[in-house]
Formats: sequence, structure tokens, C-alpha cells
Amino acid sequence: RKEVEQDPGPFNVPEGATVAFNCTYSNSASQSFFWYRQDCRKEPKLLMSVYSSGNEDGRFTAQLNRASQYISLLIRDSKLSDSATYLCVVTPTSGSARQLTFGSGTQLTVLP
Amino acid sequence: NAGVTQTPKFQVLKTGQSMTLQCAQDMNHNSMYWYRQDPGMGLRLIYYSASEGTTDKGEVPNGYNVSRLNKREFSLRLESAAPSQTSVYFCASSATGSRTEAFFGQGTRLTVV
Repeated sequence: RKEVEQDPGPFNVPEGATVAFNCTYSNSASQSFFWYRQDCRKEPKLLMSVYSSGNEDGRFTAQLNRASQYISLLIRDSKLSDSATYLCVVTPTSGSARQLTFGSGTQLTVLP
Repeated sequence: NAGVTQTPKFQVLKTGQSMTLQCAQDMNHNSMYWYRQDPGMGLRLIYYSASEGTTDKGEVPNGYNVSRLNKREFSLRLESAAPSQTSVYFCASSATGSRTEAFFGQGTRLTVV
């Protein structure tokens, strides 16, 4: 079983739609959680960190469920510019150099 | 605002050739990483370095060596390239602490023929 698993998609949604992605992780000792965004043939960039209490940044909401070992990302009012691959990232241990473990990514295409 | 700089951006090698991928960051980060990204596989950690002078293996270290030359630079060497090493390679860096963001270079697209 992969340490971090995501539905690869693709998710094709119309502009204005709400879309949600889930990501499951296998290591219950995981410390920190993130969502990164990767545009086609570009480097990943941090979208948002995921906190235990959940957090929101504009149209984006991230949730963490430690009991079930999954994190989620909700995008409301989708824009064409949201089209990208969304990577779930987990850090198995704390410490000075973290082994960031990436999911394979979920591809989102927002259609006009 | 250079951030993380990788060179080269593209490279074609013949099987058995060697090369070094260079990475430098100007953010005074302690931690640096090398990943490879293959279709459907996501990013897999090759090696990482917690600080100058230390390196550790990641998930897929075979066929690679690294050098943390100083705090700024972390290079990845392929001693004898194989077609299985055809991939996109990303260097990243981060400050100390579990919640800090990792910043990535633009990637090196390597093809081994």
C-alpha cells in the first residue's frame, strides 16, 4: 500500500462548481499535512497547510481527519485558473529534515 | 528572487554516461531535497540533506549520489545513466520545522537513450 494515496482523476468540472479531493495516508505517526498545486510541466507550489482544526483560504478549505487518516481539499466556485494537479503531501516524522511524502496527484480541469 | 535554481533544465544522455545536476538556493534553508517525478508515480524522494555535511537516502537512492557542498548547494550525480532514470528531477529546500513550506526548483527534464 502506498504511504499516500489520491484519486488520480481526472476531475472535469464546469466553472463555478464545487469539487472535493480526498487523500489517505497510511502512517498514523504523520505529523504535518499540506496541499501543493502543480501546473503542467512546472514545479509544485504550496497551496495550503492542513491543520487539525481545518482551515480556509478564500475558496479553498482543507480538513484533516486523524482518526480515519485522510485529508481533504474543497474548492468552491471553481475558476478556469484552478485547472492543475493537486498533490497531497504528508510528513511522516518531525525533525529538521522532513521526508515529504507526496501522493501521485489529482488532476483537475475546470471547463468553461 | 531566485529561490531554488536548478541546472540544466533539459538534458539527453546516452546509457552509461555520467552527469551532475546542480541545485542552489538563496533562502538560507538548512534542508534540501532531490525528487524524481514519473507519470503516475508522483514525486519520489531520492536523497535529502538536513544540513551542510549531512545526507540521507530517500525512497529511491539507487543509481544516484549526492553532495551537500555548502549550505546553498546540493548536487545530484548519475554515475552511469540508465533508461530507467529518464524522469523529471526536482530540487527543493525548506527551513527547519515541520510546518515550513518546501520550495522547488523548476526541474530538470532528463532523457537517457
